[in-house]
Amino acid sequence: DAGVTQSPTHLIKTRGQHVTLRCSPISGHKSVSWYQQVLGQGPQFIFQYYEKEERGRGNFPDRFSARQFPNYSSELNVNALLLGDSALYLCASSLNPGEGPTYEQYFGPGTRLTVT
Amino acid sequence: DQQVKQNSPSLSVQEGRISILNCDYTNSMFDYFLWYKKYPAEGPTFLISISSIKDKNEDGRFTVFLNKSAKHLSLHIVPSQPGDSAVYFCAASAYTSGTYKYIFGTGTRLKVLA
Repeated sequence: DAGVTQSPTHLIKTRGQHVTLRCSPISGHKSVSWYQQVLGQGPQFIFQYYEKEERGRGNFPDRFSARQFPNYSSELNVNALLLGDSALYLCASSLNPGEGPTYEQYFGPGTRLTVT
Repeated sequence: DQQVKQNSPSLSVQEGRISILNCDYTNSMFDYFLWYKKYPAEGPTFLISISSIKDKNEDGRFTVFLNKSAKHLSLHIVPSQPGDSAVYFCAASAYTSGTYKYIFGTGTRLKVLA
């Protein structure tokens, strides 16, 4: 069974540009979360979506947005890129948010974004 | 404001001995705690979790202990194996104001020496 997949694997963008990252959850999982991980830090929570609705949001500016599609895949969009947006972006899927063991999130390999 | 803290950036343990990784948190609203393991160039892998209504959860070689009064949890690995060498993240979740939040610590790098 396929795990969480993310595309692209690596991406290089210029300051001010826009980027779209994609994630496909584990089959049967209806919740997708996005995290940003900079070197030497733990993952920082950006968004959680469940059944196409936003169910959680971290402390990120409005330049960050996301959506979830009917097939439960998700996109993370970042506008007006800054150098500080350079990081590993992780997607995680789970059965449901906040229901006992279904808190357990399964992570994809991430997309490495470099902003120059 | 780091709500989940892993104060030991690294830990070295001999193979076969016990590894104890610690995590402290400040937010009493957290209701579920999780440990993840991360190898280089991979996403974090779920290891074990514990609800705030419990004080211990065991899964094979891994046991998580929760001390709510001290706002402290720990992960015990017994016996430690070289394959356990990785970065371990403690994470906590809370449901407040109709939304979920997940907070990760900064990680502890465990090295198990053969």
